[in-house]
Amino acid sequence: AQKITQTQPGMFVQEKEAVTLDCTYDTSDPSYGLFWYKQPSSGEMIFLIYQGSYDQQNATEGRYSLNFQKARKSANLVISASQLGDSAMYFCAIRGTGANNLFFGTGTRLTVIP
Amino acid sequence: SQTIHQWPATLVQPVGSPLSLECTVEGTSNPNLYWYRQAAGRGLQLLFYSVGIGQISSEVPQNLSASRPQDRQFILSSKKLLLSDSGFYLCACVTGSFPYGYTFGSGTRLTVV
Repeated sequence: AQKITQTQPGMFVQEKEAVTLDCTYDTSDPSYGLFWYKQPSSGEMIFLIYQGSYDQQNATEGRYSLNFQKARKSANLVISASQLGDSAMYFCAIRGTGANNLFFGTGTRLTVIP
Repeated sequence: SQTIHQWPATLVQPVGSPLSLECTVEGTSNPNLYWYRQAAGRGLQLLFYSVGIGQISSEVPQNLSASRPQDRQFILSSKKLLLSDSGFYLCACVTGSFPYGYTFGSGTRLTVV
């Protein structure tokens, strides 16, 4: 079974600053994938970044990077140079070996302060 | 790439009334399809998933049901809505390319009154 824990219900960050959103996971699968999605107030879910369990490098996509610490089972999302448009809910998700189902955390609401 | 069409966008229904939400997928065949519900300000709860026509798996016992009458059509239904059915309903499918995450529809905001 897979489980995602996001312990920060809400976070605030000053515009242009960096912010880290926490995500820890639990799985017994030797191979798995970790995803981050953004959900603006409109409700759409936007894929941000992916990290495979065997990837040697931390994933990066523009201003998004993933701080992957396999031994600690954490996959924190780092957003650099925050923008007002980054204000949204952020969800961490995990997919296990041979499975298509994603298991989501409860999300973190990020608010960027001008 | 896949596109998911989901309608209606907003729905207000009285308690005890029936429900039918539809989701159709373009750009892929034989996709895995999912229905999620999100209560206000909360996380995503997986309701149903389907790996093929007529194949439905239920994750949470409730008064909702799902059907997949065609390869790219997924329907969420209820015979009698409860107040607790209010929420934001999202349809999703597995993307056809690496890393095989989800493509989501735009969602239906259901308010049961």
